[in-house]
Amino acid sequence: DTGVSQDPRHKITKRGQNVTFRCDPISEHNRLYWYRQTLGQGPEFLTYFQNEAQLEKSRLLSDRFSAERPKGSFSTLEIQRTEQGDSAMYLCASSLSGSIDEQYFGPGTRLTVT
Amino acid sequence: GDSVTQMEGPVTLSEEAFLTINCTYTATGYPSLFWYVQYPGEGLQLLLKATKADDKGSNKGFEATYRKETTSFHLEKGSVQVSDSAVYFCALSLSGGSNYKLTFGKGTLLTVNP
Repeated sequence: DTGVSQDPRHKITKRGQNVTFRCDPISEHNRLYWYRQTLGQGPEFLTYFQNEAQLEKSRLLSDRFSAERPKGSFSTLEIQRTEQGDSAMYLCASSLSGSIDEQYFGPGTRLTVT
Repeated sequence: GDSVTQMEGPVTLSEEAFLTINCTYTATGYPSLFWYVQYPGEGLQLLLKATKADDKGSNKGFEATYRKETTSFHLEKGSVQVSDSAVYFCALSLSGGSNYKLTFGKGTLLTVNP
């Protein structure tokens, strides 16, 4: 068990560019979450997958954001036409369905939009 | 909506001092409660949890008791160490169907000096 991994760890992009982040959850975990964390704040929920199905999206997730989990394993989060306000840490977490959902977090991808 | 309010930091203590970080919550249902810790340069890690009223979560000398009557889940440790320096997040989870998304507080930075 290597834990949740995210790639890249850091991304600097110019406003208007598209970026894509990848999350590899713990292998047997069927639930996957994306959160966003800005400086001085706690993480905020963005979206949730159970297996390959995206079951909930936050209002924070504008039309420029899209997430996929095509085979129920890794997930990608794409941001189109990035804006400076998108600068944040993007966190991925995974869990195994069962009693209480204990989420395991990856190290995050820090996005800076210049 | 659901929310978590935790004591604002930063908190600075000397080694072996007693630690309390206050956390209160507002929830429409009956949440599970968590404390997560983020060490410098690392991802969020679950520190402890409690799933029902009067449950006490404990780990690494930290404790927190789920108090339904005061809607609180304060984190305590009797004797802090320099290695406890980190950001601590209180969080709740409500099952909306199968989505156990976490709602976090803003975090409290703890610095422990030798």
